[in-house]
Amino acid sequence: DSGVTQTPKHLITATGQRVTLRCSPRSGDLSVYWYQQSLDQGLQFLIQYYNGEERAKGNILERFSAQQFPDLHSELNLSSLELGDSALYFCASSAWASAQETQYFGPGTRLLVL
Amino acid sequence: QQQVKQSPQSLIVQKGGISIINCAYENTAFDYFPWYQQFPGKGPALLIAIRPDVSEKKEGRFTISFNKSAKQFSLHIMDSQPGDSATYFCAASKNSGGYQKVTFGTGTKLQVIP
Repeated sequence: DSGVTQTPKHLITATGQRVTLRCSPRSGDLSVYWYQQSLDQGLQFLIQYYNGEERAKGNILERFSAQQFPDLHSELNLSSLELGDSALYFCASSAWASAQETQYFGPGTRLLVL
Repeated sequence: QQQVKQSPQSLIVQKGGISIINCAYENTAFDYFPWYQQFPGKGPALLIAIRPDVSEKKEGRFTISFNKSAKQFSLHIMDSQPGDSATYFCAASKNSGGYQKVTFGTGTKLQVIP
């Protein structure tokens, strides 16, 4: 158990809908990363937040947005969903040790868009 | 742009055999090379990592070999066990403005048969 929690575990919705995925980082971790994992694309970095502020953006669509709240939990909002958005969504929180950052992944949210 | 190329896509190894997964990278700015192990239904977990100033790192049955001039690195699993059956991701990262920009390979699904 990494200490990172994600809810819900599974989500089934229809095209055009909007969903919110939630992530709680490990206690004390200030950074949260979001990734999308699909069968043919591997793990794709979406966005990173550090202590409430957006720090880096990856291949995140304009239909997607995220935020990190004062209690450090983060939410990923996916809107106008398309069939191709079906994937596993992971968040990871990170900690620094010996000048190196290690990411700890949550169990993921499996999204199915019908 | 695929910056980290991983092969093979899948691998079947007999119990007790050696599993070898290869990765190649393009960006010489990468300064940290972790390997992640992912079991079905779980998030990726850090397995072992290496910095480019070291040519080999061993932790138990897992060894990373690193060839800086060739921009290649590989994971060797000695005495492979059925419990090692998982998907393995190589990754390469660089420190970018206080966060680690991590690029993942596409993954190798390893099956160890008794």
